[in-house]
Amino acid sequence: DAGITQSPRHKVTETGTPVTLRCHQTENHRYMYWYRQDPGHGLRLIHYSYGVKDTDKGEVSDGYSVSRSKTEDFLLTLESATSSQTSVYFCAISTEIIGNEQFFGPGTRLTVL
Amino acid sequence: GNSVTQMEGPVTLSEEAFLTINCTYTATGYPSLFWYVQYPGEGLQLLLKATKADDKGSNKGFEATYRKETTSFHLEKGSVQVSDSAVYFCALNRDDKIIFGKGTRLHILP
Repeated sequence: DAGITQSPRHKVTETGTPVTLRCHQTENHRYMYWYRQDPGHGLRLIHYSYGVKDTDKGEVSDGYSVSRSKTEDFLLTLESATSSQTSVYFCAISTEIIGNEQFFGPGTRLTVL
Repeated sequence: GNSVTQMEGPVTLSEEAFLTINCTYTATGYPSLFWYVQYPGEGLQLLLKATKADDKGSNKGFEATYRKETTSFHLEKGSVQVSDSAVYFCALNRDDKIIFGKGTRLHILP
């Protein structure tokens, strides 16, 4: 299994509070991704990173920010959580090899009340 | 734009039945194609992949062939088991990003 951990694994918070989710990898892969998974929508890309301090937006980036100050860590921040951000969040990593499959973390279940 | 369409579920089969989950894609150029599987309470795992036309990916008894002429990558297994119950995602890779289908839930009855 690829060395990817996510923390916390579960979190319940209230509307308007800031939340930070952490993804940590031990594989030294260049690319890291944050997705959210919701019923009927599959996985949707929030933000991704192609190197330290290099990030870009995905298809559902509004209300989220990211930071990557070290190769191994990719942080996802909800500045002011809303109920629509209740979801399961997955981190993924990938290399630059042909095929470029992604390896996924175990997920974080976030509930915003 | 790039997109993936897969059959809606849930799909319910008896053990040892033949499985097909359809997947078609729209993409410019020649993307790599993947099938991922998600077991309850877990993240996605790569099941198989194909990187060019006519390639066949296979793993754990599952197979899928990259058909450029029909832009398809259908997942098949000859004899399913209860342990195959999961959600299956078809996906393609373009520009360092992966685009996923919405997933197909598979239930296998003993």
